Amino acid sequence: DVKVTQSSRYLVKRTGEKVFLECVQDMDHENMFWYRQDPGLGLRLIYFSYDVKMKEKGDIPEGYSVSREKKERFSLILESASTNQTSMYLCASSPGNRIYSNQPQHFGDGTRLSIL
Amino acid sequence: GESVGLHLPTLSVQEGDNSIINCAYSNSASDYFIWYKQESGKGPQFIIDIRSNMDKRQGQRVTVLLNKTVKHLSLQIAATQPGDSAVYFCAEKDRGNNDMRFGAGTRLTVKP
Repeated sequence: DVKVTQSSRYLVKRTGEKVFLECVQDMDHENMFWYRQDPGLGLRLIYFSYDVKMKEKGDIPEGYSVSREKKERFSLILESASTNQTSMYLCASSPGNRIYSNQPQHFGDGTRLSIL
Repeated sequence: GESVGLHLPTLSVQEGDNSIINCAYSNSASDYFIWYKQESGKGPQFIIDIRSNMDKRQGQRVTVLLNKTVKHLSLQIAATQPGDSAVYFCAEKDRGNNDMRFGAGTRLTVKP
């Protein structure tokens, strides 16, 4: 089974802090994704990566950055945390190349982040 | 813009009945569709997928139907059990992209 592991289940940070959310997958997947999930809004794509050191903006990249130094690890960074970034953050991975990947994304269990 | 949505935000069924969860999509270039189940405190879990060259696919107790003419997707769960209580998402992917678009979800509650 695919295993996507997010480093923290719950995290509380203060406004202005730099926050790192880590995600690791063990299936050698090329593609990795970061979403946030808010009540009534569903999953919204923040950033994704289809290869090491590659990244592309999703629908809501403002206030976030990402890092993919190794294939199995994809980090989400909140440069200066704000209260409107309080949310559930979900990491996912999928196999395949950039264009023709009709494969399901596999998700971690999420990090519930609260910014005070 | 393109959107993926659900007809009903909540669905309540009796244990043992069949459940049908619906999803509408508007992107005619979508070629791949997935249903996910999300239990409380967990991430979305893959249930079943279907490609646009098919109109029906069956799994264990689940069936996905795709009607491309009206851009409608449904998930049927046979003999619904209490463990099926969760939020169910549909998702679609454009053939030119690698990212998924998700619906807001339907909460399924199974009454004993």
